[in-house]
Amino acid sequence: RKEVEQDPGPFNVPEGATVAFNCTYSNSASQSFFWYRQDCRKEPKLLMSVYSSGNEDGRFTAQLNRASQYISLLIRDSKLSDSATYLCVVNYAGNNRKLIWGLGTSLAVNP
Amino acid sequence: NAGVTQTPKFQVLKTGQSMTLQCAQDMNHNSMYWYRQDPGMGLRLIYYSASEGTTDKGEVPNGYNVSRLNKREFSLRLESAAPSQTSVYFCASRDGTSTDTQYFGPGTRLTVL
Repeated sequence: RKEVEQDPGPFNVPEGATVAFNCTYSNSASQSFFWYRQDCRKEPKLLMSVYSSGNEDGRFTAQLNRASQYISLLIRDSKLSDSATYLCVVNYAGNNRKLIWGLGTSLAVNP
Repeated sequence: NAGVTQTPKFQVLKTGQSMTLQCAQDMNHNSMYWYRQDPGMGLRLIYYSASEGTTDKGEVPNGYNVSRLNKREFSLRLESAAPSQTSVYFCASRDGTSTDTQYFGPGTRLTVL
């Protein structure tokens, strides 16, 4: 089993739709969780950190479920500009601050 | 504030040639990283440097060497390039604060023929 697994996608949704991505991780000692966004042929950029209590940033909501070892990202009212690959990232305790990256989920928002 | 810069942006090598990928950050970060990204493989860590003067192997270090020249610069060297090293290479630095964000350079697209 991969350490971090994501829905492979691609997700094709119309503008205005709500879309959710899930990500599971295998190491229960994981401490930090993130969602990064990567546009085609560009570098990854931090979208948001994921906190135990859940957190929201505008149309984006991230949640963490430690018991089931998964994190989620919800995007409401999708825009064309949301089209990108979304990467789930986990930092394990004692891993000398190395991040474990998921393969990413591709999202295409269509007009 | 340029963030993380990488040179070159594109490079084509012949098998057996050597080259050095340069990376610099102006954010005063301690930690720096080199990744490669291949289709279907995701981001894989080659080497990282937790602080100036230290380097450690990541997941796929074979065929590569690194130098943390100073706090700003972290270079990646391919001594004898192989076609399997065709990839996109990203350098990143980490802010070490509570946000623990990694900031990436624009990448180097390397083709080894």
